[in-house]
Amino acid sequence: GIQVEQSPPDLILQEGANSTLRCNFSDSVNNLQWFHQNPWGQLINLFYIPSGTKQNGRLSATTVATERYSLLYISSSQTTDSGVYFCAVEGSGGSNYKLTFGKGTLLTVNP
Amino acid sequence: NAGVTQTPKFRILKIGQSMTLQCTQDMNHNYMYWYRQDPGMGLKLIYYSVGAGITDKGEVPNGYNVSRSTTEDFPLRLELAAPSQTSVYFCASSYSTSGVVTQYFGPGTRLLVL
Repeated sequence: GIQVEQSPPDLILQEGANSTLRCNFSDSVNNLQWFHQNPWGQLINLFYIPSGTKQNGRLSATTVATERYSLLYISSSQTTDSGVYFCAVEGSGGSNYKLTFGKGTLLTVNP
Repeated sequence: NAGVTQTPKFRILKIGQSMTLQCTQDMNHNYMYWYRQDPGMGLKLIYYSVGAGITDKGEVPNGYNVSRSTTEDFPLRLELAAPSQTSVYFCASSYSTSGVVTQYFGPGTRLLVL
């Protein structure tokens, strides 16, 4: 099946700093989503982005499908951004929205 | 809308016991999923359903069963609980609109098998 690798595995920032999280995938995809899992365990969908660029406030994401990677940018980080960020994909040809998750990037934002 | 709800929030089982994890969504989504999340790992798909009466195995189905008799409910059954099933279980549902797919997650059930 499709492989998903995220980097870095851990990231520590001071409040106000910017960061870039990376997701590499092993095959072409028709579905790519970024999720944030807060310290209480709740998973929230951030972006659906199988290709192109999207922005939502301080967060933006870019997927370069031909090169099989996606980037999540967090600008002016806040302590509430702490948690684990997951990239999840479904390979091309799939139609059931079944996602394969990476292991995540644990982000800690210190005040 | 309550979204995706799961019960119980936390449960301790003894080895060999059985239990059902409940999942309900009120968004009329056709697609529903069960994942497990082990410490430091991403989520792994256990079972999924594309509609009432239709279920299929995911990546790690052994030791689990599901049913989908209604659009709203997707319970996960553990038979003969084993320590390897200690995990956090998430139920999710999804829909597609205008080509955008969004998956919504419940709050999770933390299960400890001793």
